[in-house]
Amino acid sequence: NAGVMQNPRHLVRRRGQEARLRCSPMKGHSHVYWYRQLPEEGLKFMVYLQKENIIDESGMPKERFSAEFPKEGPSILRIQQVVRGDSAAYFCASSLSTQNNSPLHFGNGTRLTVT
Amino acid sequence: AQKITQTQPGMFVQEKEAVTLDCTYDTSDPSYGLFWYKQPSSGEMIFLIYQGSYDQQNATEGRYSLNFQKARKSANLVISASQLGDSAMYFCAMREGTGGTASKLTFGTGTRLQVTL
Repeated sequence: NAGVMQNPRHLVRRRGQEARLRCSPMKGHSHVYWYRQLPEEGLKFMVYLQKENIIDESGMPKERFSAEFPKEGPSILRIQQVVRGDSAAYFCASSLSTQNNSPLHFGNGTRLTVT
Repeated sequence: AQKITQTQPGMFVQEKEAVTLDCTYDTSDPSYGLFWYKQPSSGEMIFLIYQGSYDQQNATEGRYSLNFQKARKSANLVISASQLGDSAMYFCAMREGTGGTASKLTFGTGTRLQVTL
């Protein structure tokens, strides 16, 4: 059973470009979460999605960031007009359910570098 | 207020010794789950152990155990017989309530564990 798949593993963008990060959840998981991690810091929640629906986007910056989880295909985190402060590791996670005892399983992350 | 507090930025332990990583949490929800994750230098996040708020016994998974003290709101991770491969960042996290917008995990700032010879 494949784990959470994220690609690309590393992404370099120039200021002003767009970054697209992809995440395929574990098989059978319909709950997807995106987190951001700055160097030497913990993971900060960004957004929680179920198929075709955004459930909680309380951690998403108001501008330039968007996320989707279409009926078919991976979840996408999109960052428009990237700035140097967007450089971070972005982790996707999925879970089988929203019950408290259902852990989030994480992908290996996408390391975004904005030059 | 911080929901998850990890007060030890860094810890050292000798190989084969046991080590305790501290975690305290803050919630008014009677139903919650507590999780520990390991992040080695390669960067991936590895789920280690889970403790539910209604669980009567402390969780154990191999060399990992969770010292759950509900009244103190603490959920310390104990690693027995440390190995060099245990050197990593360790994150405590909490999931509150049941479903919906309470579904996300909230993480602490982490503890960097270094296992020495």
